[in-house]
Amino acid sequence: EPEVTQTPSHQVTQMGQEVILRCVPISNHLYFYWYRQILGQKVEFLVSFYNNEISEKSEIFDDQFSVERPDGSNFTLKIRSTKLEDSAMYFCASMGGRTNEQFFGPGTRLTVL
Amino acid sequence: SQQGEEDPQALSIQEGENATMNCSYKTSINNLQWYRQNSGRGLVHLILIRSNEREKHSGRLRVTLDTSKKSSSLLITASRAADTASYFCAPLNWGNQFYFGTGTSLTVIP
Repeated sequence: EPEVTQTPSHQVTQMGQEVILRCVPISNHLYFYWYRQILGQKVEFLVSFYNNEISEKSEIFDDQFSVERPDGSNFTLKIRSTKLEDSAMYFCASMGGRTNEQFFGPGTRLTVL
Repeated sequence: SQQGEEDPQALSIQEGENATMNCSYKTSINNLQWYRQNSGRGLVHLILIRSNEREKHSGRLRVTLDTSKKSSSLLITASRAADTASYFCAPLNWGNQFYFGTGTSLTVIP
């Protein structure tokens, strides 16, 4: 069964460093998302991406964040200058065009020291 | 916002019992979906119910939707220890992004 994959599973970085989180969505899906979940809190929407551009973003998704689909398979989330409060699980999701079901990846745990 | 709010926040039952959790939302919707999250893992899609449906079944899951009350319920019958997880509802209208609530934390005691 096709699935969304994410790498790395755990990323540790120093405050102020740039990180890139990678996702490989399901191959024929058209809509892509990033969510994050701070430990013990709810899953929060960050950004949605369709047709090679951002379609919606939350107020969390400020200028420090960017997304890219550099090729036909990867979908990346970049945080330019990480802060302590960026420590969280980051989930990628993708959705096909026929249903509204989103398929989530296993997440990347980001720890900012 | 389209956020769903689940109730109760926590539920603890014995294996074999049924578990019922509820969801309320505020806006009109096209559909509502339920997801499960095991501790520290990604969300797994369970079931989708459209706004013109009132009840839907999938295996041991039964979902109801009352659009007049803006509420939904998820029933898990004959629960198993493996059902222990957090459960989230995701109401969807415009756009495709979900605004998740805090979920119901279900513990099934063997």
